[in-house]
Amino acid sequence: QKEVEQNSGPLSVPEGAIASLNCTYSDRGSQSFFWYRQYSGKSPELIMFIYSNGDKEDGRFTAQLNKASQYVSLLIRDSQPSDSATYLCAANAGGTSYGKLTFGQGTILTVHP
Amino acid sequence: EADIYQTPRYLVIGTGKKITLECSQTMGHDKMYWYQQDPGMELHLIHYSYGVNSTEKGDLSSESTVSRIRTEHFPLTLESARPSHTSQYLCASRMTGYQETQYFGPGTRLLVL
Repeated sequence: QKEVEQNSGPLSVPEGAIASLNCTYSDRGSQSFFWYRQYSGKSPELIMFIYSNGDKEDGRFTAQLNKASQYVSLLIRDSQPSDSATYLCAANAGGTSYGKLTFGQGTILTVHP
Repeated sequence: EADIYQTPRYLVIGTGKKITLECSQTMGHDKMYWYQQDPGMELHLIHYSYGVNSTEKGDLSSESTVSRIRTEHFPLTLESARPSHTSQYLCASRMTGYQETQYFGPGTRLLVL
């Protein structure tokens, strides 16, 4: 089992819909979680981070964290074609690996007009 | 906005050449990382550093080496480039402490002929 696993995708949603991206993690020592967006051929750019259980909203993006279920999600409201990219979930490793981020394999999102 | 720079952005070089990929950040971050990513594939951590004179190998074995003589500078060197080294190399940095958000540089695309 991968330490950070994302829903396999690719995910395709129509413009204006809500895109839901999911991520589970296995390291219970992980304290903080990050969502990155990566356009093809570019480097990852940070969208949001979350470290407390519950929801965190930033514009059209909402991150959700449930530490008991070891589950992180990202909701994108009013999806736009410019949101089409690969979304990476990352967890701050705990224990002796502290200081390293563990990345998921990424979910490709396509928003079609 | 993150101030992390990588040079060169693109490099085409012949087999057997020695190359150094530069990475610099002006944010005073103590932690720095090198990732390797093939097109459409996952990020793989190849080296990291928690501070000056501290370097560690990452999760993916790499023939490259790194050094950290100054806080802001984390160069990666390949003594003898091979076609198997063709990839995108991403540098990242983060600061120990609150939230520890990690930022990526723009990347170096390396092609070894």
